[in-house]
Amino acid sequence: DAGVTQSPTHLIKTRGQQVTLRCSPKSGHDTVSWYQQALGQGPQFIFQYYEEEERQRGNFPDRFSGHQYPNYSSELNVNALLLGDSALYLCASSYDRGFYGYTFGSGTRLTVV
Amino acid sequence: SQKIEQNSEALNIQEGKTATLTCNYTNYSPAYLQWYRQDPGRGPVFLLLIRENEKEKRKERLKVTFDTTLKQSLFHITASQPADSATYLCALDRGNTGKLIFGQGTTLQVKP
Repeated sequence: DAGVTQSPTHLIKTRGQQVTLRCSPKSGHDTVSWYQQALGQGPQFIFQYYEEEERQRGNFPDRFSGHQYPNYSSELNVNALLLGDSALYLCASSYDRGFYGYTFGSGTRLTVV
Repeated sequence: SQKIEQNSEALNIQEGKTATLTCNYTNYSPAYLQWYRQDPGRGPVFLLLIRENEKEKRKERLKVTFDTTLKQSLFHITASQPADSATYLCALDRGNTGKLIFGQGTTLQVKP
C-alpha cells in the first residue's frame, strides 16, 4: 500500500520565481495538509484541503496557495520566492481531520538562491 | 501566545533503559495530542494519539500520558534500542480542526 508520494524530492529555484510541489495522498485518505519545516524546527502548518476546498489555513502569506483535485491529490504553489522560503515542504494525508493520525510524505527540499 | 515546548537538548541514554520525553503546552485546551518520530531527511511517522479524556495510552514499548491539569504529555520508550534514535515530535490539535501545531522536537540518542 503506497503511502504519501511527493514530487520532486529536491528543487533549486531563484528568488522571485514560482514553484509547484505535488502530493498524492495515501489510498483511502481524503484530506491533505501541507507543512513547512525549517532546519531544526517542527513543521509549521500552511493549509489543509478537503473536498477540493481550503478548510484551514496557517499564518502564511497569500504567496502560498494550493489546490486539491477530485482524486484527492494536491499541489502547493509558492509565488515570488524569497530566500526564507527555503525549507522542507511536507504533505500529510488523513481520513477526515486526522483524528487517527496523519501519514506524511518524505517531503520536497526547496532551496531558494 | 500559544506555545508547545519540548526538551530542546538532545537526550542521550543507554540501550535497555527507559527514555522519557516531555511536551508542555500553554494557552491550549487540546482535543488531542499526537506523537511522531522523524528520521533525518524523512517525513514524520505517526506513533500514538491520545485524547483529552484519556490519561494513558500504550503501544508495544511506547507509552504516552496526558495531564490536562499540568498541560503536559510524557512519552516513554521502554527497553530502548539504538534503532529508536531519532527526533520525536509532539503535536496538538486544539479544537478538532485538523490543524496540527508541532513542538520543535527532541532528539533521542540511544547508545549501545
